[in-house]
Amino acid sequence: EPEVTQTPSHQVTQMGQEVILRCVPISNHLYFYWYRQILGQKVEFLVSFYNNEISEKSEIFDDQFSVERPDGSNFTLKIRSTKLEDSAMYFCASRTTGVEQFFGPGTRLTVL
Amino acid sequence: KNEVEQSPQNLTAQEGEFITINCSYSVGISALHWLQQHPGGGIVSLFMLSSGKKKHGRLIATINIQEKHSSLHITASHPRDSAVYICAVEKTSYDKVIFGPGTSLSVIP
Repeated sequence: EPEVTQTPSHQVTQMGQEVILRCVPISNHLYFYWYRQILGQKVEFLVSFYNNEISEKSEIFDDQFSVERPDGSNFTLKIRSTKLEDSAMYFCASRTTGVEQFFGPGTRLTVL
Repeated sequence: KNEVEQSPQNLTAQEGEFITINCSYSVGISALHWLQQHPGGGIVSLFMLSSGKKKHGRLIATINIQEKHSSLHITASHPRDSAVYICAVEKTSYDKVIFGPGTSLSVIP
């Protein structure tokens, strides 16, 4: 069964460093999303991506964040200069027409 | 105000019990999702509903669009059903999903 994959599963970084979280969506999917979940809190939307551009972003998704689909298969989330409060589980999701979103297993980001 | 609310927040049940988790939302939606999150953190989609009722194995999800309410039922609960169950909505098709706070279920043998 096709699935969304994410790498790495856990990333530890120092405050101020850049991180790139990678996702491989399901191959025929057209809509891509990043969400995050701070420990003990609910999942929050970050950004949606369709037709090679951002279709919507939340207030959380400020200038420190960017997304890319560099090669037609990977979908990346970059945080330019990490802060302590960026520590969270980051989920990628993808979907195609008429079906639910499929979520990846998540990347746990720890900023020290 | 949260757009998606769930009750109860926590639930402990004996194995075999019938379980109901409720979700209410305050916005117009195109679809409602029920998701499961295990302690490891991964999220699995259980149902996507826009009307009526869906059944998959021991899980049943219902939605009442007029009342802006949905329920997730688990029949003959089992310890492996222990997880966080999350209700989430999308306002328009292919929109982001807005998550509720989750209901933490623990099924005791």
